[in-house]
Formats: sequence, C-alpha cells, structure tokens
Amino acid sequence: KNQVEQSPQSLIILEGKNCTLQCNYTVSPFSNLRWYKQDTGRGPVSLTIMTFSENTKSNGRYTATLDADTKQSSLHITASQLSDSASYICVVISFGGGSYIPTFGRGTSLIVHP
Amino acid sequence: EAQVTQNPRYLITVTGKKLTVTCSQNMNHEYMSWYRQDPGLGLRQIYYSMNVEVTDKGDVPEGYKVSRKEKRNFPLILESPSPNQTSLYFCASTRDRGPGELFFGEGSRLTVL
Repeated sequence: KNQVEQSPQSLIILEGKNCTLQCNYTVSPFSNLRWYKQDTGRGPVSLTIMTFSENTKSNGRYTATLDADTKQSSLHITASQLSDSASYICVVISFGGGSYIPTFGRGTSLIVHP
Repeated sequence: EAQVTQNPRYLITVTGKKLTVTCSQNMNHEYMSWYRQDPGLGLRQIYYSMNVEVTDKGDVPEGYKVSRKEKRNFPLILESPSPNQTSLYFCASTRDRGPGELFFGEGSRLTVL
C-alpha cells in the first residue's frame, strides 16, 4: 500500500531560525513529489514539485530535496518568518493504469514564534 | 483568475437532513476530487473523477455521493448526514496528464448536530 510519512508531527521555532521537515514515502510507480503549505482554515497551496531526476529545488526561502534511492524528501525553510506558521503537507503523485493517484502525508504543523 | 470554488464555506445542519456541497473549477481540468480533513488524520480522499460521467471511490466514500455531469462541476452529496461527517472538506482539481499540481478550493466546514 502506498504510504507517505512525515516528521516531525509538529515543530515550534523562533522567528529567523531555520528548520527542516522530513517526508519518507513508499509509492509506486513514482511520478513526482510536491510540498504544500496549508494556512489554518485554508486550502493547501503547492510550494515545490520534484520529479525523479531532480535533487534540489528552491522557491524563495523554501528548498526541497529528493533522494529517489532512499525515497526521502525534505523541506528546508531558511530565516523563518511568522507567516511560515502553517501545516506543510508532502504529497507523492503516482500515475498508474491511466489513473492519477495522490498519496498524502499527515502534515507537519509549524509554529514560528516572535 | 484560475480557481476552485466551493459553497457553502460554512454549514451547520442536523442529522439526516440532505445537503450538497458544490465545487466548480474554471481551468478545464479533467480530474476533480473531494477530501475530508480531520485533526491528526490529514487529508483523506472521498471520491474522485477522471472526467465527465466517470467517478470512483477514494479511501473513505461511505455516506457520500458525487456526480460529474459537467466538466467544471463536481458536487458532494450527503444524503443523510451523521455527526461523524463533521469535518473540513476540500475539493481539488488537476489536469490528469503532466505534473499534476492539485488546485484546492478554500474548504467547507461542515458541522452535523
């Protein structure tokens, strides 16, 4: 069964500090991996997409990495801001038998304190 | 503006009173899906549709119905809501080919008393 595991479940950091969120997956066949940011009470919004051949991708202060061999991804947030407080969801996409299949992690809840 | 629109955003209802949550997208996407989000459980897929008149069950379809008569609309129907269907619901859409970015609606918070 396809699974996506995220850690930590929750994280509290001080404004200006860096942090790294982890995502481990067992999804086959693998198409791509996305990190989404979800503000409280809002819909998730895509931050980055990683395909099989990509190791690192940045979007401003967000940098995602992918190790397809170990099936691990990380999201690094640099110089955190109060607006980074949100839930971060790892989603692994599989295309199989003509079907588009997303598998969701349960998310990491990040709180940035001033 | 490309968007997925859900209505209502908030709803309080009583057990057994049928309700429909509408979802509409203006991006001509083939794929649409519904999720519920509960604390500690993350997003769980209820139903999805690969195209018009094609719908399939997700992980938690019990107690829900959907229809896809038009490409842009994918309503979620609760024929006889129960308190365990109290949740935050999201509709999402994507092209079913290519990178597959899911575009989510703003959510519908449903409370069943």
